Amino acid sequence: DGGITQSPKYLFRKEGQNVTLSCEQNLNHDAMYWYRQDPGQGLRLIYYSQIVNDFQKGDIAEGYSVSREKKESFPLTVTSAQKNPTAFYLCASSIAPTGNTEAFFGQGTRLTVV
Amino acid sequence: DAKTTQPPSMDCAEGRAANLPCNHSTISGNEYVYWYRQIHSQGPQYIIHGLKNNETNEMASLIITEDRKSSTLILPHATLRDTAVYYCIVSSLQGAQKLVFGQGTRLTINP
Repeated sequence: DGGITQSPKYLFRKEGQNVTLSCEQNLNHDAMYWYRQDPGQGLRLIYYSQIVNDFQKGDIAEGYSVSREKKESFPLTVTSAQKNPTAFYLCASSIAPTGNTEAFFGQGTRLTVV
Repeated sequence: DAKTTQPPSMDCAEGRAANLPCNHSTISGNEYVYWYRQIHSQGPQYIIHGLKNNETNEMASLIITEDRKSSTLILPHATLRDTAVYYCIVSSLQGAQKLVFGQGTRLTINP
């Protein structure tokens, strides 16, 4: 089945540890995105990538890093510099980086840092 | 990207049409109106989008005013499974598609 897969669904980490969230898509989409969602809030953009080997910071990139070495993969690393890492993280992709295309979302990873 | 304003919550009876309003008074000519919904603890799901004309698909209809400053998403026959948070977003055709999500409208369908 075509789609966008995030793993794992739930992740627990100790404070001070870096953690990498996986996002894979087999939709042959050029653009990929990472969002963060806090309880009762909308989504906020962390990073986005319009093409392989290129990515840009979103609105809340501090404390996060990404890579886009392959078209189908866009992993997000939550570093120890992120002050409040506990959140619901959502990955998305779209066929093109510009408007007039829909974005497909994964089912999310809920990260808890203790 | 233009900002949108939505009511925080709405209720609708099962089987009735649910009409969700959205104001986007600062929308510019190259910005599309998108609607997504998010069922609890899941990723958002695309519903519909449009530029100027009204649009309809198997899920919903989108009515955009002539001045494009507001729009209405219509779910024609709401079911309990339509209970979700609905997000209205404007996204530019130029540059990266940075979907900016507000707080959305929490729609509750009542039996």
